[in-house]
Amino acid sequence: QITLKESGPTLVKPTQTLTLTCTFSGFSLNTSGVSVGWIRQPPGKALEWLAVIYWDDDKRYNPSLKSRITLTKDTSKNQVVLTVTNTDPVDSGTYYCARSAAVSRYFDSWGQGTLVTVSS
Amino acid sequence: EIVLTQSPGTLSLSPGERATLSCRASQSVANSYVAWYQQKPGHSPRLLIYAASSRASGIPDRFSGSGSGTDFTLTIIRLEPEDFAVYYCQQYGSSLITFGQGTRLETK
Repeated sequence: QITLKESGPTLVKPTQTLTLTCTFSGFSLNTSGVSVGWIRQPPGKALEWLAVIYWDDDKRYNPSLKSRITLTKDTSKNQVVLTVTNTDPVDSGTYYCARSAAVSRYFDSWGQGTLVTVSS
Repeated sequence: EIVLTQSPGTLSLSPGERATLSCRASQSVANSYVAWYQQKPGHSPRLLIYAASSRASGIPDRFSGSGSGTDFTLTIIRLEPEDFAVYYCQQYGSSLITFGQGTRLETK
């Protein structure tokens, strides 16, 4: 059974750095073709893809946030960490991590999401 | 960036009816790499369709996808009460993954 779970702060002050961790089980990020992505959703709005990290440590970022986001992975802990610097209230929303398998880039398994509010 | 425009914004139908949801891309999507997701309030998205027309594991056959190039469609025949939700399309044919703005399927 594949599971993913996001964790991190629920409240961050503007300009601070947001760090979210995705802890997963049921698959390995050492397996060729597998990747983990991050997607966020402001309250009542649509999904926005942020970034993806692949089994070979290749990374892709949404250009609209590229200068502010970083992805790292720890395969021994089955974790992927998303860092967003210089946060703004528009960064508020639910953050999801999700898995893609077999070099595909659609997301077949999702975490439950974690709600982050950026506010002073 | 490939912009995906979903229509209609809201679709009001009754159980048992047929739903047709559209997703139009601003440019051709390579390899028809379009996926569809269902999202219910308070829940994470659920994959329904990938590669435009392939059903994900465990998805009922009343859900089907079609299309190519810039025009893609999700069809749900014989709507069940649990099908009323928001539906998103996603393209993954370009290096920048994008989602549509969603179609809300509500009970008439």
